[in-house]
Amino acid sequence: QVQLVESGGGVVQPGRSLRLSCAASGFTFSTYAMHWVRQAPGKGLEWVAIISYDGSDGYYADSVKGRFTISRDNSKNTLYLQMNSLRAEDTAVYYCAKANRITVTKGIHIEYWGQGILVTVSS
Amino acid sequence: DIQMTQSPSSLSASVGDRVTITCRASQTIDTFLNWYQQKPGKVPKLLIYVASTLQSGVPSRFSGSGSGTDFTLTISSLQPEDFATYYCQQSFNTPLTFGGGTKVEIK
Repeated sequence: QVQLVESGGGVVQPGRSLRLSCAASGFTFSTYAMHWVRQAPGKGLEWVAIISYDGSDGYYADSVKGRFTISRDNSKNTLYLQMNSLRAEDTAVYYCAKANRITVTKGIHIEYWGQGILVTVSS
Repeated sequence: DIQMTQSPSSLSASVGDRVTITCRASQTIDTFLNWYQQKPGKVPKLLIYVASTLQSGVPSRFSGSGSGTDFTLTISSLQPEDFATYYCQQSFNTPLTFGGGTKVEIK
């Protein structure tokens, strides 16, 4: 079965960096686009970023564009989110999620979600 | 960016009630609209994609409709396990955006 396991979360000071990882198993990782979605405590879902199957295309929410970078290593079945210049408003549970298709096209959605990992930005 | 507005933000209903949740896009998105359910403390789950296609394993009491800018999620007969927060999401273009959520509570 599909498994997505996030790691790398924790407490970080404002302005610092953090890299999240997501280890994927149970499906052919290299043939699906992947998302990051976050949820601030007590708040709704916020889509963060998506990457195509081969890493050639990446798209971002306006709130993280220029600060966050999504990437993947298909040889390791792992998705990453490099988060720089972190702000208090980036505090959230970050979910790694599997898309339903290979490229970022109309109709793409989220089929499976990881359990999420908490990132807290605080001094 | 496309803004997604859900209404109501919360509602109270009884088991057996018919429940309708509305989602409006700030511009036309054809039928590229997905619905997710999130129970407290749990991971979101896909219910419906491209406006009206039920995800495998989702009970038939859930249905979706709409196109263009206006969409609805209907639960025909609310069950105890349906008390949750529901989110719409547009997949017409990036950035993909979610609605603010509708919390369905027990009356």
